[in-house]
Amino acid sequence: AQSVTQLGSHVSVSEGALVLLRCNYSSSVPPYLFWYVQYPNQGLQLLLKYTSAATLVKGINGFEAEFKKSETSFHLTKPSAHMSDAAEYFCAVSISGGYNKLIFGAGTRLAVHP
Amino acid sequence: GAVVSQHPSRVICKSGTSVKIECRSLDFQATTMFWYRQFPKQSLMLMATSNEGSKATYEQGVEKDKFLINHASLTLSTLTVASAHPEDSSFYICSANKGDLLNYGYTFGSGTRLTVV
Repeated sequence: AQSVTQLGSHVSVSEGALVLLRCNYSSSVPPYLFWYVQYPNQGLQLLLKYTSAATLVKGINGFEAEFKKSETSFHLTKPSAHMSDAAEYFCAVSISGGYNKLIFGAGTRLAVHP
Repeated sequence: GAVVSQHPSRVICKSGTSVKIECRSLDFQATTMFWYRQFPKQSLMLMATSNEGSKATYEQGVEKDKFLINHASLTLSTLTVASAHPEDSSFYICSANKGDLLNYGYTFGSGTRLTVV
């Protein structure tokens, strides 16, 4: 069965510091992987996705993620955090076949302090 | 683009009443839509997969008689919480994919905050 694990339910960084949010996946077949951001009382916004093309994926708002098959990881990074990056971040995997259901990790709350 | 509209954004209802939530794909046709439930400070739990013209597929543990899903057209899926009770209070989110995961991924509605009093 496919799943994702997000390490660290809370991450706190200073403004201007590197952001690193960790995601490991489990899949018996090549997965599609996604990172979404959620602001309070809102839906989810797609940051970036990996769909078996380039392993380094660039997304919106300066975020990027690297697919590493050997480590079964898809960590999200941003070189310099902004206050506006404070939100909940979800890693997700698409289950291939059937209706392509999307399964989410537990989420990581990112706090950015001055 | 791929835009999904969800309505209402917030609803408060009395215990025992039914509530309908709409999910519309505005600029594309979606043969499949998904309904999620999110508890405070928790992740999204997939409730069911809504299929146009056929019965929804429910995840294990989700009461199909409580959460009624109708996907009557290629742009509209509805979730009805039947005889709602306070424990049904939650944030409900729908999503759809345009069918082209390579380019569009999944698009989410803005969610519906249901409060049952």
